[in-house]
Amino acid sequence: GENVEQHPSTLSVQEGDSAVIKCTYSDSASNYFPWYKQELGKGPQLIIDIRSNVGEKKDQRIAVTLNKTAKHFSLHITETQPEDSAVYFCAASIGQGAQKLVFGQGTRLTINP
Amino acid sequence: EAGVAQSPRYKIIEKRQSVAFWCNPISGHATLYWYQQILGQGPKLLIQFQNNGVVDDSQLPKDRFSAERLKGVDSTLKIQPAKLEDSAVYLCASSPTSGGVTDTQYFGPGTRLTVL
Repeated sequence: GENVEQHPSTLSVQEGDSAVIKCTYSDSASNYFPWYKQELGKGPQLIIDIRSNVGEKKDQRIAVTLNKTAKHFSLHITETQPEDSAVYFCAASIGQGAQKLVFGQGTRLTINP
Repeated sequence: EAGVAQSPRYKIIEKRQSVAFWCNPISGHATLYWYQQILGQGPKLLIQFQNNGVVDDSQLPKDRFSAERLKGVDSTLKIQPAKLEDSAVYLCASSPTSGGVTDTQYFGPGTRLTVL
């Protein structure tokens, strides 16, 4: 079936450095790519999304890039802070008509002070 | 604005027992989702409701799982009988319109199920 691969599974960076998480998808019809942040004991929360007609989107310290030809998209977090520590999930829309989201396996990001 | 409410937060049962989870979406949200999140994995959609109708239940193991959304508001997800592999966090999410997958989904805190 259609799937989304996410790497790395764990990432540890020094506070103030940048973090990059990458995802690849298989469905060429995918046209919506959200990123979610999940803190311990909570449900995922949308932090940024991108649609297939856009190559890059930024929101303060967070940016997402999309390469439709290569079928991959990435999350970039700059000037990382301790509160950025969480599990991050990428997702891609799949299907025709009534689409649904397929999530990656998640990346546990740890910011070291 | 109150978020998505779920109960119970934790549940421990033995295999072959039954269990039910409850979800109250954000007021006025038309679409409701149930996801299963196995430890170390991303959420997997089990069922999607639009108002009180089912949009997608293709990944719901219908021999043991059932779900309903009464009057297009609250929803319950039931497992009967439970298996060891059902141990997971069950997440409920809602989105405001029937506009499709690009609507922001708001997740509840989830119910952690352990099957012994």
